[in-house]
Amino acid sequence: AQTVTQSQPEMSVQEAETVTLSCTYDTSESDYYLFWYKQPPSRQMILVIRQEAYKQQNATENRFSVNFQKAAKSFSLKISDSQLGDAAMYFCAYRSPYTGANSKLTFGKGITLSVRP
Amino acid sequence: EAQVTQNPRYLITVTGKKLTVTCSQNMNHEYMSWYRQDPGLGLRQIYYSMNVEVTDKGDVPEGYKVSRKEKRNFPLILESPSPNQTSLYFCASSVGGAHNSPLHFGNGTRLTVT
Repeated sequence: AQTVTQSQPEMSVQEAETVTLSCTYDTSESDYYLFWYKQPPSRQMILVIRQEAYKQQNATENRFSVNFQKAAKSFSLKISDSQLGDAAMYFCAYRSPYTGANSKLTFGKGITLSVRP
Repeated sequence: EAQVTQNPRYLITVTGKKLTVTCSQNMNHEYMSWYRQDPGLGLRQIYYSMNVEVTDKGDVPEGYKVSRKEKRNFPLILESPSPNQTSLYFCASSVGGAHNSPLHFGNGTRLTVT
């Protein structure tokens, strides 16, 4: 079974600075998909970014980018020019290429990001 | 607007009193799923449905039931709720069980069982 590990429960960043959130995963599959979700205090789950394992190029969405290291099974999220609205809990998630029971998202435990004005 | 709608947002009940949390999506998604979120544990899958009339257990199905009689609806049923089912619940859907399609989440239901 796949596992997703977010080892840092909390992080803090100064407004306008850059912060990197870490995520590692364990899998024996060669193809899979990785996601970062944001959960603000409103508790909505918002998709931030996704990465296909077969793509070598790191995904980017405006101020959000990932550093995907397939061999190391690492998938970190970088937030540039941090804004107060980035304060939230962030979840890293893994999805298998197979359907059925394996089609679920496996989540890490999350990391709480605070942004200092 | 494309969305997943859950109701209610907050629910307080007593042990043993049957309850249903509704979930509906308007995106014609085939795949639907229920998760529970607990502090320090992240989100864990309760049940999922690949399509109408096709449902199966996730990682933590004990004490829950689901049904998928229509494509758009996927209610979560607690026949006899217990305090350990106090949690934040999310319904989610995606185009299919396809690996590259992200899950779209509802706004969550905060359930308290006393």
